[in-house]
Amino acid sequence: QLHLQESGPGLVKPSETLSLTCTVSGGPIGSSSYYWGWIRQPPGKGLEWIGSIYYSGSTSYSPSLQSRVTISVDRSKNQFSLKLSSVTVADTAVYYCARPSSFLNYALDVWGQGTAVTVSS
Amino acid sequence: DIQMTQSPSSLSASVGDRVTITCRASQSIYNYLNWYQQKPGKAPKLLIYGASSLQNGVSSRFSGSGSGTDFALTISNLQPEDFATYYCQQSYNNPLYSFGQGTNLDLK
Repeated sequence: QLHLQESGPGLVKPSETLSLTCTVSGGPIGSSSYYWGWIRQPPGKGLEWIGSIYYSGSTSYSPSLQSRVTISVDRSKNQFSLKLSSVTVADTAVYYCARPSSFLNYALDVWGQGTAVTVSS
Repeated sequence: DIQMTQSPSSLSASVGDRVTITCRASQSIYNYLNWYQQKPGKAPKLLIYGASSLQNGVSSRFSGSGSGTDFALTISNLQPEDFATYYCQQSYNNPLYSFGQGTNLDLK
């Protein structure tokens, strides 16, 4: 049973860099069939796709966040990470990691529980 | 970018009702359309993938239809646990996905 778990600081100051990690358990992150992605949800609002990384390391980012986002993978730790630079209060959200499955038309079939991040001085 | 537009944004219904939520894509996405259910404080849960395929373990009261640009999620015989927010998501433009704005289904 695949399990994803987000971790990272719950409070980040404006203009600083938000850093989160998603730890994958129950299966190898280095599978050729899967991407790994990040999604966020501001308080009371809908879901926003941030970006994804393929097991090979190739990445794809939302155009609206592309200039500030970096997603990386650490196969030795079975983790992938999100960095979002120059944060503002608008980046306050619950951040989820999830897995798009090529077997399910790239639907997001496994999600982490989410981690809340507040941007405030 | 592929824009996804859901309607309605909110919907009130009663236990036992049948409801339909629609989702329109800004361009053809063939059948790369997925539906999720989200309850307060929880991560979204995959209900339907490929426009009409039911995810393992999901009640058969949920069904999906459509192709191209117009899609629908239908929930029959509404149960108390079905009152939640529902999102559509396109995965045609893999791996650059996008979600609809959500439909809040509440008890009338």
